[in-house]
Amino acid sequence: DTGVSQNPRHKITKRGQNVTFRCDPISEHNRLYWYRQTLGQGPEFLTYFQNEAQLEKSRLLSDRFSAERPKGSFSTLEIQRTEQGDSAMYLCASSFLAGQETQYFGPGTRLLVL
Amino acid sequence: ILNVEQSPQSLHVQEGDSTNFTCSFPSSNFYALHWYRWETAKSPEALFVMTLNGDEKKKGRISATLNTKEGYSYLYIKGSQPEDSATYLCALSRGAGANNLFFGTGTRLTVIP
Repeated sequence: DTGVSQNPRHKITKRGQNVTFRCDPISEHNRLYWYRQTLGQGPEFLTYFQNEAQLEKSRLLSDRFSAERPKGSFSTLEIQRTEQGDSAMYLCASSFLAGQETQYFGPGTRLLVL
Repeated sequence: ILNVEQSPQSLHVQEGDSTNFTCSFPSSNFYALHWYRWETAKSPEALFVMTLNGDEKKKGRISATLNTKEGYSYLYIKGSQPEDSATYLCALSRGAGANNLFFGTGTRLTVIP
């Protein structure tokens, strides 16, 4: 299967710990997106890469969050000093073109901060 | 931030019933409208991307229509089956240079056998 994959699928951590998630996009896609979904809400945009360049960041992405996409392939999202409010589903998507082009999503990483 | 609204929030139907949901969005910020189906523990699955006013798209028993002038889209499911049980999300693209999607909160459909 050549879909978007995310690891881990679930993460439980204690408040104050750092966590890192990985996203492997569809291989020919040059655009990669991170979204966050909290309970009762739709997914909300966090950040976006075109190849290795991070081109847009949402105000939701506080300075405790950092995302990278070295070599324009997989991406990592790190949350430092986690807070209980960071508990959410973190979704990754990839696409080949912007705008109307379909974004293909991974299954997400569900984070629980205790 | 764009206000994309979906209704109803949740819906229970009997197997074989047809149903429909609504997605409303600001018509002044429209570029494309996306529909996704998200089953529990799976990846959101892309159903349709719609761009033109009056667009109608169909995939099996699922179809969608788009009205960009009044700012709404309908998703229809004909003859609902238990495997249609999922959350249906719509999302708005603002323009060719805008890359993020603005999602509604979704409609959670449960089809009762």
